[in-house]
Amino acid sequence: DVKVTQSSRYLVKRTGEKVFLECVQDMDHENMFWYRQDPGLGLRLIYFSYDVKMKEKGDIPEGYSVSREKKERFSLILESASTNQTSMYLCASSSPGQGEGYTFGSGTRLTVV
Amino acid sequence: QKEVEQNSGPLSVPEGAIASLNCTYSDRGSQSFFWYRQYSGKSPELIMSIYSNGDKEDGRFTAQLNKASQYVSLLIRDSQPSDSATYLCAVKRGSARQLTFGSGTQLTVLP
Repeated sequence: DVKVTQSSRYLVKRTGEKVFLECVQDMDHENMFWYRQDPGLGLRLIYFSYDVKMKEKGDIPEGYSVSREKKERFSLILESASTNQTSMYLCASSSPGQGEGYTFGSGTRLTVV
Repeated sequence: QKEVEQNSGPLSVPEGAIASLNCTYSDRGSQSFFWYRQYSGKSPELIMSIYSNGDKEDGRFTAQLNKASQYVSLLIRDSQPSDSATYLCAVKRGSARQLTFGSGTQLTVLP
């Protein structure tokens, strides 16, 4: 069964900490994405990557960075966590082509205190 | 105007009824359309995709697309309590790699 795996289901971090969220997919997908999901705001794209070492900003990249050193792994980095980054973070992957929707990971619920 | 808009919920239907979920999009260059189901506390899962005008059926689910009206819908026949979830409409524009999501419609199927 193909999978997108997020390393943590729940995280609690302190304000100002550097936070790493990891995502690994085993489908050999080129595209990987990071979204955050908040009540009333829906899914918002933070960053995505279409190849190793390639990245593009999404709609809300401020306060975040990403790293993709290997095709299967896409990391989201909160350089200095703030309380307004408390959210559900969802990783997804897809392959190129019209017909490909996303496969999502199970999500990481991050609380910044 | 939001890029992808879904009819405001929550939507409640009795068990066995047809649930109708609607979505409109603003970009005429959009090529691919997806419906995701998200149970509370879980991540979204893909249930339907549609690319051409008309209807596409998969079991109890039917997706309908009208590109001229920039409208896509999802019908759930014989609704079951297990269909209670939030349904997300997603659109891929032209050659874009990313999907744009609507804010979702919460569906409750009453036993």
